[in-house]
Amino acid sequence: AQSVTQPDARVTVSEGASLQLRCKYSYFGTPYLFWYVQYPRQGLQLLLKYYPGDPVVQGVNGFEAEFSKSNSSFHLRKASVHWSDWAVYFCAVSPHDTNAYKVIFGKGTHLHVLP
Amino acid sequence: GGIITQTPKFLIGQEGQKLTLKCQQNFNHDTMYWYRQDSGKGLRLIYYSITENDLQKGDLSEGYDASREKKSSFSLTVTSAQKNEMAVFLCASSIAYNNNQAPLFGEGTRLSVL
Repeated sequence: AQSVTQPDARVTVSEGASLQLRCKYSYFGTPYLFWYVQYPRQGLQLLLKYYPGDPVVQGVNGFEAEFSKSNSSFHLRKASVHWSDWAVYFCAVSPHDTNAYKVIFGKGTHLHVLP
Repeated sequence: GGIITQTPKFLIGQEGQKLTLKCQQNFNHDTMYWYRQDSGKGLRLIYYSITENDLQKGDLSEGYDASREKKSSFSLTVTSAQKNEMAVFLCASSIAYNNNQAPLFGEGTRLSVL
């Protein structure tokens, strides 16, 4: 069965530092993958999406993610974190078939930014 | 651009009460979803609807009913609220259920049961 694991419940970085949030997926084949961000008391906003093709995907606000089939990973990166990036980040996987509605979400990673 | 509107934003209920949450979207999307978000547990799918008048159960449908009477709206009913229950209910929509488009989300309804 497909699944998503975000191994880090919480990540703390200093403002201006680089960031990597980890995501591992389990799926037979090549899935579609998404990263969402949730700011306090808001819904989820789509940061970026991966459809089979270029493994590096660019998103909004300087975020990018890299798909690795060999590592079953889809890690999110940012070169320089801003205080406004303080939020919860969710990785999600969507299967490549008639069950495409079954978007499965990870449990989220809380990003804390130190001044 | 479109928007997904969830009402109410905050809902306080009593144990055993039937509670209804509403969701409207103006993207003209075919598919709509209800997710439940609990702290530390990510999002779990309650119901989804492929088109008007269609209903499909997700992994967490027990204790809930749903209704999709119009393409633009999708309602969720908590059939009997559980004491001390606290959760966020998120509505989402996407173009079609089988084209792998990322769902877009509303801002949520926050439920507290006394």
